[in-house]
Amino acid sequence: GAVVSQHPSRVICKSGTSVKIECRSLDFQATTMFWYRQFPKKSLMLMATSNEGSKATYEQGVEKDKFLINHASLTLSTLTVTSAHPEDSSFYICSARETAGVNEQYFGPGTRLTVT
Amino acid sequence: AQTVTQSQPEMSVQEAETVTLSCTYDTSESDYYLFWYKQPPSRQMILVIRQEAYKQQNATENRFSVNFQKAAKSFSLKISDSQLGDAAMYFCAYRSGVQGAQKLVFGQGTRLTINP
Repeated sequence: GAVVSQHPSRVICKSGTSVKIECRSLDFQATTMFWYRQFPKKSLMLMATSNEGSKATYEQGVEKDKFLINHASLTLSTLTVTSAHPEDSSFYICSARETAGVNEQYFGPGTRLTVT
Repeated sequence: AQTVTQSQPEMSVQEAETVTLSCTYDTSESDYYLFWYKQPPSRQMILVIRQEAYKQQNATENRFSVNFQKAAKSFSLKISDSQLGDAAMYFCAYRSGVQGAQKLVFGQGTRLTINP
């Protein structure tokens, strides 16, 4: 149990275009999901906390208009990188916190974004 | 704000030997949770072990155990009988025990190499 999926696993897009990444909790409900960014050989940097049915809470320094987050259901959150630039290239990881039980966070497998 | 520090960027150990990864944290809270996560080359984050601060007994999971020293704010991970599959980045993480608190604060990570 407690599986989180991300789609796509890899995406290449051209500079100036937008790309959407999906995060799904497959076998549990998640009121809250988190989006992280990870640079090579670095730790996870929390970008935003996504709450079902309400606006996301962004960490300091993260542009909310550039990284649009939507959490429309208890099993799906999306991150849209708008007007992507090469510096947005990174590894994006989501996690989902189960609503019931011990409120553990479960991580998705990540999405490699390359902006050319 | 809480911080987590992993002072060992890299560690190596011979297969079947024991290795200890260090983690210290800073907080003014008395109720919190500590975690060790493993990130293998696949980059999937895997929960290794979890410790509740109110529990004096150190958590153990098979070959993995922690040495939780609350007064010293230290939370080290001991891996016994190291196996090749243990090679990964290991991240120490903190989560507040305050009701509704959800964020994980990660350390910088320690890359563990297992020598055959």
